[in-house]
Amino acid sequence: EAGVAQSPRYKIIEKRQSVAFWCNPISGHATLYWYQQILGQGPKLLIQFQNNGVVDDSQLPKDRFSAERLKGVDSTLKIQPAKLEDSAVYLCASSYGLGANSGNTIYFGEGSWLTVV
Amino acid sequence: AQSVTQLDSHVSVSEGTPVLLRCNYSSSYSPSLFWYVQHPNKGLQLLLKYTSAATLVKGINGFEAEFKKSETSFHLTKPSAHMSDAAEYFCVAYSGAGSYQLTFGKGTKLSVIP
Repeated sequence: EAGVAQSPRYKIIEKRQSVAFWCNPISGHATLYWYQQILGQGPKLLIQFQNNGVVDDSQLPKDRFSAERLKGVDSTLKIQPAKLEDSAVYLCASSYGLGANSGNTIYFGEGSWLTVV
Repeated sequence: AQSVTQLDSHVSVSEGTPVLLRCNYSSSYSPSLFWYVQHPNKGLQLLLKYTSAATLVKGINGFEAEFKKSETSFHLTKPSAHMSDAAEYFCVAYSGAGSYQLTFGKGTKLSVIP
């Protein structure tokens, strides 16, 4: 079974530039998550989709971050304009259903590493 | 609200000796608990999960964890460390009450000395 695919794996940009990350979840998974992992910290949820609808975006900095999942499959996370503190790994994850109860496992991609200089 | 505390930011063991990674949680509800492992430049891989069934949970690669409600702990153990176990380990909680979010600890970096 193919895993969660992310691209690009690595990106270096200057502050105030824009960047976009793409994620393709595991086939059949309705729920898609974007997490931000800053060096030395655990991942933090940015946004969660159920099909093409947003379930939770309470921790997404909406003045600079945006995400969409228009057809309920793959998703794009955009940052514009980038700040130095946005340097992090952006992890995409997917699961069959909502939440992390006994029958629902969340699978993570390998991440997109962003460095803002 | 829930929180996860990983008591050690870095643990170093010799190959072939036991591994103990400590995790405490705080939650208003009975949480589901997980351990994920992250190897360098790789994504997070699920090691094991506790979801209110057996309190001793066995995972992949010989890891296991025991849920102790009285101590609010979910420590990860392995009888004998292997070089390939060197990685970052995250303890994660999920309560499902009002939010679908996973709450991550800050991680424990495990080093294995040959």
